[in-house]
Amino acid sequence: QKEVEQNSGPLSVPEGAIASLNCTYSDRGSQSFFWYRQYSGKSPELIMSIYSNGDKEDGRFTAQLNKASQYVSLLIRDSQPSDSATYLCALRDNYGQNFVFGPGTRLSVLP
Amino acid sequence: DTEVTQTPKHLVMGMTNKKSLKCEQHMGHRAMYWYKQKAKKPPELMFVYSYEKLSINESVPSRFSPECPNSSLLNLHLHALQPEDSALYLCASSRLVENEQFFGPGTRLTVL
Repeated sequence: QKEVEQNSGPLSVPEGAIASLNCTYSDRGSQSFFWYRQYSGKSPELIMSIYSNGDKEDGRFTAQLNKASQYVSLLIRDSQPSDSATYLCALRDNYGQNFVFGPGTRLSVLP
Repeated sequence: DTEVTQTPKHLVMGMTNKKSLKCEQHMGHRAMYWYKQKAKKPPELMFVYSYEKLSINESVPSRFSPECPNSSLLNLHLHALQPEDSALYLCASSRLVENEQFFGPGTRLTVL
């Protein structure tokens, strides 16, 4: 079983809609979770970090963490065409050294 | 200064060449990283340098060798690379190894 799984997409949503990106992980000891956005040909850009169960909001972005279900999600409200990118879920493993990325979900926001 | 810088932006090299990639951060971060990213794949961790200690992903071949001259610099020395090593090489840093990582713009490497 892969450590971090994401739906590869593409996920297409109309402009102004809510985009929901999901990520599951296998290591129950994982403590830290991160969402990165990566535009084609560019480097990953940190959007959110989340460490505790529940929701964390930052502007149009909300990260949700459920450690019991081993599930972390990212909601993007009022999606804009400029949000079209690959979204990478990442976590730090139980040993604290390895920073593991999921395969990424490609999001397309249609004008 | 809140960014990670990488040089060069692009590099083309032959299989017999020796070259180096450079990475610098001025955020006072204590951990730095090298990643390799192939097209349509997530970044793969190659090396971690934290608390003056280097950790190596065992799958990384010896033709890649990191060097940390000081706490702000992390170089990646390249020697006798193969065409399959062509990729985007990303440097990142974090305040501590437990914290979120911030990425530089990357070096696009092509091995002929």
